Amino acid sequence: QVQLQQWGAGLLKPSETLSLTCAVFGGSFSDYYWTWIRQPPGKGLEWIGKINHSGSTTYNPSLKSRVAISVDTSKNQFSLEVTSVIAADTAVYFCAPYSGGSGGLDPWGQGTLVTVSS
Amino acid sequence: DIQMTQSPSSVSASVGDRVTITCRASQGISRWLTWYQQKPGKAPKLLIYAASSLQSGVPSRFSGSGSGTDFTLTISSLQPEDFATYYCQQANSFPLTFGGGTKVEIQ
Repeated sequence: QVQLQQWGAGLLKPSETLSLTCAVFGGSFSDYYWTWIRQPPGKGLEWIGKINHSGSTTYNPSLKSRVAISVDTSKNQFSLEVTSVIAADTAVYFCAPYSGGSGGLDPWGQGTLVTVSS
Repeated sequence: DIQMTQSPSSVSASVGDRVTITCRASQGISRWLTWYQQKPGKAPKLLIYAASSLQSGVPSRFSGSGSGTDFTLTISSLQPEDFATYYCQQANSFPLTFGGGTKVEIQ
């Protein structure tokens, strides 16, 4: 079964770039859309965007101008960059595979808390 | 974007109680509705997909129903490990969107 391990810098200053990577173990990398979701402290879930194995992306319009998702199929990894971060970008960031067949996200990575503070 | 509205935002219940959570979509989403359970400090866990299909390994006390704009998640007999926050998510169109969550608390 698919397992995920994510990592990246946890403390950023305003205007810096957030960078996270998610490694995929098991399963077939080409079977899913690879997705990022975030959750501000004490709040709900926000879908950021997705990428497939060939590099085709879809982003949430609310973040589209600052977000880029990329994929490295040789390593079974995908990455998230968010430029010009602000305090409102402080959140736990999760990676997860999205199945077009079920419409669900499963399983989820362990989450990475990213704090934006001067 | 499709807006997802959950109710109630919180519910207090006792072990053994039947608990029902509702989720309403701002437009029809057929049966493209997923339910998740999230415990503090943990990632969400998929419970039900396609409105009523139970994910492998999820106890049968969880069930989902609905189609179109109105959906429900039911826990038939609440267990201690079920105290958590529950989210719905629509997969009819991108961006995927989530409900605001329902916290199930111990009465």
